[in-house]
Amino acid sequence: KQEVTQIPAALSVPEGENLVLNCSFTDSAIYNLQWFRQDPGKGLTSLLLIQSSQREQTSGRLNASLDKSSGRSTLYIAASQPGDSATYLCAGGWGKLQFGAGTQVVVTP
Amino acid sequence: GAGVSQSPSNKVTEKGKDVELRCDPISGHTALYWYRQSLGQGLEFLIYFQGNSAPDKSGLPSDRFSAERTGGSVSTLTIQRTQQEDSAVYLCASSFQGVNYGYTFGSGTRLTVV
Repeated sequence: KQEVTQIPAALSVPEGENLVLNCSFTDSAIYNLQWFRQDPGKGLTSLLLIQSSQREQTSGRLNASLDKSSGRSTLYIAASQPGDSATYLCAGGWGKLQFGAGTQVVVTP
Repeated sequence: GAGVSQSPSNKVTEKGKDVELRCDPISGHTALYWYRQSLGQGLEFLIYFQGNSAPDKSGLPSDRFSAERTGGSVSTLTIQRTQQEDSAVYLCASSFQGVNYGYTFGSGTRLTVV
């Protein structure tokens, strides 16, 4: 069974610092990987999708990489802002997505 | 529709009652997924539909839980004889054909069993 681990569980940084969020998975037969953001009491918003043939995706200040051989994905958020405060979830799988527990991020002004 | 729609957004029910949760996926999305998120917990997979069939329902926690999808569109998750441990946010996601196209989530239904 695919297991997804996210480190760290929580992170607090001052505004302007870069954020690095890590995700690891046990089964390298992952088909794709998707990063989501969840605000308190809300649903999940998709940030980036790395499809099976890709290694990286970028959107604005966000960049995500996927290394299937090592079973790792990393989400970089450049020049963090207080509005980036949220829980970030990674998910990967084959047929259905398995989710990590998330990294709770607080960006202080 | 423009997004995944779930109803109701909130539901409070008495222990022992049955509840129905509805998910209306994005038009044209053939894959539909149900997840559950308990307070402070991660997302727990419940069931996956491709069209009207459910090739994976391995996450349904007990036989009190069932789901159906009709017309390749709307899905209903039914919980019979609700228990307090069923209290959670139930999230629905849809995808164009399957997981390689990524998920789009609805806003969820918050279920409270009292």
